[in-house]
Amino acid sequence: NAGVTQTPKFQVLKTGQSMTLQCAQDMNHEYMSWYRQDPGMGLRLIHYSVGAGITDQGEVPNGYNVSRSTTEDFPLRLLSAAPSQTSVYFCASSYSAGTSTYEQYFGPGTRLTVT
Amino acid sequence: SQQGEEDPQALSIQEGENATMNCSYKTSINNLQWYRQNSGRGLVHLILIRSNEREKHSGRLRVTLDTSKKSSSLLITASRAADTASYFCATDAEDSSYKLIFGSGTRLLVRP
Repeated sequence: NAGVTQTPKFQVLKTGQSMTLQCAQDMNHEYMSWYRQDPGMGLRLIHYSVGAGITDQGEVPNGYNVSRSTTEDFPLRLLSAAPSQTSVYFCASSYSAGTSTYEQYFGPGTRLTVT
Repeated sequence: SQQGEEDPQALSIQEGENATMNCSYKTSINNLQWYRQNSGRGLVHLILIRSNEREKHSGRLRVTLDTSKKSSSLLITASRAADTASYFCATDAEDSSYKLIFGSGTRLLVRP
């Protein structure tokens, strides 16, 4: 199993540009999520999904869109990039049951710089 | 707002010593998880402890949970240089158990 994969590894955008960060998992996990990590800080939840066709907002959703058309893929779209979105982005997936989430499997991250 | 907060923010110890990190949170939880992050890498899951458990072990790791004090601790015994990393606790958010909220982490340096 490849686990959780993210592309690209690095990206530089100009202010106002849009782009999509890709995330895929091959573990048949229902739960997937996106986090951003700023220097010296913990992770902040952007959006999450509990299954195909179901998404919801996390702590810092503004400026980002997500969709979940398949179990495997959970892309994150930046609508109009701003310097404040310079960060490292992590995708994660996990098994979930009822209303609880379990061990999160993280991708290697995408380092995004917005100039 | 952050649910879990780690203490201390940074910890430097000698190889072979024990390292203890603490996590406090604000509201009732289903479970609490600890993760490790090596510099520039993704997070790796260490231990999950459920709200009805008080202590859990995994190799050199020992996690305790005190729901009355809303706190947890992670103990790494006989530390090694390879344990140098940042350690984060994660808990359910106040408004949804589907939201996993991370603290700001403890940076552990183990000196050879």
